[in-house]
Amino acid sequence: QKEVEQDPGPLSVPEGAIVSLNCTYSNSAFQYFMWYRQYSRKGPELLMYTYSSGNKEDGRFTAQVDKSSKYISLFIRDSQPSDSATYLCAMKVSNQFYFGTGTSLTVIP
Amino acid sequence: DGGITQSPKYLFRKEGQNVTLSCEQNLNHDAMYWYRQDPGQGLRLIYYSQIVNDFQKGDIAEGYSVSREKKESFPLTVTSAQKNPTAFYLCASSREGASGYEQYFGPGTRLTVT
Repeated sequence: QKEVEQDPGPLSVPEGAIVSLNCTYSNSAFQYFMWYRQYSRKGPELLMYTYSSGNKEDGRFTAQVDKSSKYISLFIRDSQPSDSATYLCAMKVSNQFYFGTGTSLTVIP
Repeated sequence: DGGITQSPKYLFRKEGQNVTLSCEQNLNHDAMYWYRQDPGQGLRLIYYSQIVNDFQKGDIAEGYSVSREKKESFPLTVTSAQKNPTAFYLCASSREGASGYEQYFGPGTRLTVT
């Protein structure tokens, strides 16, 4: 079983839709949680990071962490074609980061 | 501009040759990482370093070597012992922020070995 599970998609939504991206994890020691956006052939870009359960909002993005269920989500409101990318979740314990395999998202104009 | 630079963007080598990938950061981060990304496999950790002159193996260190002589620099050498070196290589650095850990990535180096 992988430490971090993420549905690879692909996910296709119309412009303006609310997108929900999710990851589950098995290691209850994970303390820090991150979401990245990666465009094709580019390095991942840090979107959101948090360490606590609950919601954290930044513009159109909301990161949600539920430590009791070992489940994290990223919500994108009013999705735009420029949001089309692969989204990676990541978690940290001790000195290492663990990544999901990424969900491919396409926002159709 | 603060950030992480990786060079070159594309690298081509013949099988049997060692090759060194450059990674430099001006974020003043103590920790630096090297990952390999292959289609459908996500990011896999090769090596990481928490401080200068110290580094640890990650999950797939065989066939790779690193050095950390300066805080800003963490070069990765792909040796001829690495059986399948063609991949997208990503360097990262991290720090603890006010609300969690921030890890930032460079633009990556795509290595092709034939």
